[in-house]
Amino acid sequence: SQTIHQWPATLVQPVGSPLSLECTVEGTSNPNLYWYRQAAGRGLQLLFYSVGIGQISSEVPQNLSASRPQDRQFILSSKKLLLSDSGFYLCAWSVGNRGNEKLFFGSGTQLSVL
Amino acid sequence: TQLLEQSPQFLSIQEGENLTVYCNSSSVFSSLQWYRQEPGEGPVLLVTVVTGGEVKKLKRLTFQFGDARKDSSLHITAAQPGDTGLYLCAGVDYNNNDMRFGAGTRLTVKP
Repeated sequence: SQTIHQWPATLVQPVGSPLSLECTVEGTSNPNLYWYRQAAGRGLQLLFYSVGIGQISSEVPQNLSASRPQDRQFILSSKKLLLSDSGFYLCAWSVGNRGNEKLFFGSGTQLSVL
Repeated sequence: TQLLEQSPQFLSIQEGENLTVYCNSSSVFSSLQWYRQEPGEGPVLLVTVVTGGEVKKLKRLTFQFGDARKDSSLHITAAQPGDTGLYLCAGVDYNNNDMRFGAGTRLTVKP
């Protein structure tokens, strides 16, 4: 069966520090991978998605970047965190064509930038 | 950009009561999904509806897709404390295949 691992579960970082969140998927090949951010009272905001190694699409311009060094690994990074980067970050995977996705989410990372 | 509005934003009821939550948009969806999310966890897919007017049942949960594929509802019969959570709808835009999430309805079922 497929599983998705996301870590760390919680993170407290000072403003201006770097960030690296990692997500790995097991039990499937060539998944579509996603990074979402969830703010209180708002829907999930798609940050990045990837259909293959090295292929990253950015949905919104921001202080963050993503990389996919391996088929089942997706990394969210920042060189210098801002206060506004605080939030609940979710990694997800799916298979199938865009528009027919069924998303399977990780357990999330609660990031607090102080 | 389509906007999905979910209502109510918050709902607190007693165990055994029935409830309905709504997901509305001015845009047409090719499909719509409902997810449930518990605190500190990622959302879990409950159902996908594709056809206008479609009704799907999952135990005590009934999902309906509007005839025009612009809205959906989730009805829970005899709610239980285990139904507590954030219910999110997500629609796939008919024109560009973008998936967008609503802000969710936070349901609390008190024993």
